[in-house]
Amino acid sequence: GENVEQHPSTLSVQEGDSAVIKCTYSDSASNYFPWYKQELGKGPQLIIDIRSNVGEKKDQRIAVTLNKTAKHFSLHITETQPEDSAVYFCAASMGAISGTYKYIFGTGTRLKVLA
Amino acid sequence: DAGITQSPRHKVTETGTPVTLRCHQTENHRYMYWYRQDPGHGLRLIHYSYGVKDTDKGEVSDGYSVSRSKTEDFLLTLESATSSQTSVYFCAITGPTGAGYTFGSGTRLTVV
Repeated sequence: GENVEQHPSTLSVQEGDSAVIKCTYSDSASNYFPWYKQELGKGPQLIIDIRSNVGEKKDQRIAVTLNKTAKHFSLHITETQPEDSAVYFCAASMGAISGTYKYIFGTGTRLKVLA
Repeated sequence: DAGITQSPRHKVTETGTPVTLRCHQTENHRYMYWYRQDPGHGLRLIHYSYGVKDTDKGEVSDGYSVSRSKTEDFLLTLESATSSQTSVYFCAITGPTGAGYTFGSGTRLTVV
C-alpha cells in the first residue's frame, strides 16, 4: 500500500525566513497531494493542494512543488510569521478508489517560528 | 469547523467499557471518515463511509465498528475500550471530487 514519509519532524526558523517541508510517497498511482496545518487543540485545516498534472502551485506565501519522477512533494512557506507556528501534515491520495477517497498522511512537522 | 461537529470533545472511560463517538455534518456530503491521531503516527484511517449504510475498514480498524444510518451522522464505537485506544479521534468529510478533507475539532479519548 501507499506510504508517505515526511521530514523533518521539527523545524525552527527565524521570523521572516523560509521554511521547507518535504514528503515522499511510494505509490506512483497517487494523484492528489494536500497539505494541512494543525493548530493546538484543533482539527487539521487544508492550506494548499496539488494534483499530479501540475508541477507547482502557489498561494500568497505558501507554495507546493511536485516531482512525480522522484515521487516527492514539498511545502514552501516564505516570509514566515509567528502565526505560521503549527504542525503541518502532508498526504497522498489515489483519488476515487472503490468509491472513496482515502488519504495516507505523513507523520507531521512541528514548525516553530522564532520572533 | 463549520458544517461538521464531533461529540463529545473529551471523554475518560474505563477499560472494557463500550464507547461511542459521534460525527455530525450539515454539508450533505457522501463521504465520511474516522481517523485517529497519535504522536509519531500522524493520522491513520479507522473506518470510512461512502453512503448511508455503506462502510468499510481502514488500516487500523481492529476493535472499532461504525454505523451510518443517516447521511449526516457517522458513529464510531469502541466495543470494549483498551488503553491502546487512548487517542485523539477526528472525523472528516469530503465532497464529490474528493479534494480536501474538512476535519472536525476532534475527540480526546482517554481509556484508564
